[in-house]
Amino acid sequence: SQQGEEDPQALSIQEGENATMNCSYKTSINNLQWYRQNSGRGLVHLILIRSNEREKHSGRLRVTLDTSKKSSSLLITASRAADTASYFCATGTIQGAQKLVFGQGTRLTINP
Amino acid sequence: DADVTQTPRNRITKTGKRIMLECSQTKGHDRMYWYRQDPGLGLRLIYYSFDVKDINKGEISDGYSVSRQAQAKFSLSLESAIPNQTALYFCATSDQTEPAFFGQGTRLTVV
Repeated sequence: SQQGEEDPQALSIQEGENATMNCSYKTSINNLQWYRQNSGRGLVHLILIRSNEREKHSGRLRVTLDTSKKSSSLLITASRAADTASYFCATGTIQGAQKLVFGQGTRLTINP
Repeated sequence: DADVTQTPRNRITKTGKRIMLECSQTKGHDRMYWYRQDPGLGLRLIYYSFDVKDINKGEISDGYSVSRQAQAKFSLSLESAIPNQTALYFCATSDQTEPAFFGQGTRLTVV
């Protein structure tokens, strides 16, 4: 089963609007990471938030982490057509060495 | 040059054939991973390696094997390819505390 599960599976919004995606996970983590994938391409790292952090910003991206609820959210503000992609969360676990486990992703479409 | 290079980028092979997918990295990372991506299923971990002498099975290792030839090289083999191994395969590398870097993927079709 997937450690991280993104919600919603698909999201379609108008350019300029904000997009919010959520990720839930099951086990204790060391960090949580968000990645973007353009169709059929490799994944690109967006932002990493550690388990002792609650919020992190990078440009138009804002990530929050609630370890008590085992959830994270990714907010993209002032969306652009170029933000159209799939977004994945991945968790780095504490036990043993750190392997990344990915969710199924949120497919984001920005309509012009 | 890309940080993580996968070869080949595309491959069509016949059922029963042995095929090797190769991955090399210039990041100097100890950790390397192989993932498989199917439509709607996200990325699933096949194998991972934390150093040259360390190989670990992921969640879907059956039908696959790997070899860590050097710190920079990690290859994935399908001993006898079958059609349901048709997928997009990604190699990734990471340091212990840093995010992962992904290759561009290998699109494998087994006919």
